[in-house]
Amino acid sequence: GQQLNQSPQSMFIQEGEDVSMNCTSSSIFNTWLWYKQDPGEGPVLLIALYKAGELTSNGRLTAQFGITRKDSFLNISASIPSDVGIYFCAGLIRNTGKLIFGQGTTLQVKP
Amino acid sequence: DTEVTQTPKHLVMGMTNKKSLKCEQHMGHRAMYWYKQKAKKPPELMFVYSYEKLSINESVPSRFSPECPNSSLLNLHLHALQPEDSALYLCASSKYPGMGGNTEAFFGQGTRLTVV
Repeated sequence: GQQLNQSPQSMFIQEGEDVSMNCTSSSIFNTWLWYKQDPGEGPVLLIALYKAGELTSNGRLTAQFGITRKDSFLNISASIPSDVGIYFCAGLIRNTGKLIFGQGTTLQVKP
Repeated sequence: DTEVTQTPKHLVMGMTNKKSLKCEQHMGHRAMYWYKQKAKKPPELMFVYSYEKLSINESVPSRFSPECPNSSLLNLHLHALQPEDSALYLCASSKYPGMGGNTEAFFGQGTRLTVV
């Protein structure tokens, strides 16, 4: 089946540092989504990408949809303690609504 | 408003019990989903309802029975569960089921289910 490889698996950074994480797939996706999940809560949508090559920002977050449609990255600039959580990439299987999730990147920020 | 509401937030049930999880959205979304998430793992799709009809069942055991009474409500009926079914159950909705834009899914806060 389709799988997404998300890296890194975890990151421990200093407050104020920039963060980058990415997802790659052997299959093409037409939509890439990035979510953040806090413990005991549901995933919260951060950014949605619909077009190959698209670069989208949401505050300190920037995400890009790879030209090949097989990858995406998420950058967080000037990290703050509330950025702590698990970040998931997800690819949408066309015409089904089914999301395939990456394994997640656990981010810890040291004040 | 991008709110998907799930009840209850926590549920403990015995293996012989029957219980139901409920999900509600008032965003006019026409696709609704159930996902299961085990600790330290990503969510995994269980069911998709598209325009109130079941469109995807990811080979989920029959002890899980979904129901979509109308376009705003989604239920998951549980019966004779096993301890390994303990997990966070997430409901999600999207405007359209996977065509072009407006397909991003919004998740509820989940129901933490423990089977004893």
